[in-house]
Amino acid sequence: AQSVTQLGSHVSVSEGALVLLRCNYSSSVPPYLFWYVQYPNQGLQLLLKYTSAATLVKGINGFEAEFKKSETSFHLTKPSAHMRDAAEYFCAVSDRITGGFKTIFGAGTRLFVKA
Amino acid sequence: GAGVSQTPSNKVTEKGKYVELRCDPISGHTALYWYRQSLGQGPEFLIYFQGTGAADDSGLPNDRFFAVRPEGSVSTLKIQRTERGDSAVYLCASSPGQGIGNEQFFGPGTRLTVL
Repeated sequence: AQSVTQLGSHVSVSEGALVLLRCNYSSSVPPYLFWYVQYPNQGLQLLLKYTSAATLVKGINGFEAEFKKSETSFHLTKPSAHMRDAAEYFCAVSDRITGGFKTIFGAGTRLFVKA
Repeated sequence: GAGVSQTPSNKVTEKGKYVELRCDPISGHTALYWYRQSLGQGPEFLIYFQGTGAADDSGLPNDRFFAVRPEGSVSTLKIQRTERGDSAVYLCASSPGQGIGNEQFFGPGTRLTVL
């Protein structure tokens, strides 16, 4: 079965600093990987996804992630943090099931941005 | 256009009672998912519908949980004999098809509190 591990339940950075949120996955087949963001009092929304095309994936709001098969990682980065990036971030992997697929989520990493 | 909506937004009930949670997916989306999110955790898969049928219900925790989607659009998650451990945010998501790389669009969730 596929699984996702997010290293660090909380990450704190200063405004303007690099954001790095770590995600490792396990999968017996080529994975489809996602990062979702959940802002306070809002539903989850997709930041970016990897679906076996380019290994460096660019998403919304300046975020990007790199798929590294050798490290089974899909870390999320942003060069310069903004206060509005404060949210909870979830890494996820798709698991194929009969007739479609289901998504397995990590436990999440809460990002704090200090002024 | 309208996103995924869920009603009620909050539900407080007593232990042993029956509850129904409703999800209205984005119009035309054939895939519908239910997740449960406990405090400090990522969404946990419960059940997936493709059209009217449940393609996978392996995430339902026990036979007190049941979900339907009779006309292939609105879905209802039903919980019988609620227990305090059922307290969580229940999320619904829809997707335009069953493609493994398809984005899921999430509703704001229903916060269920069992006293």
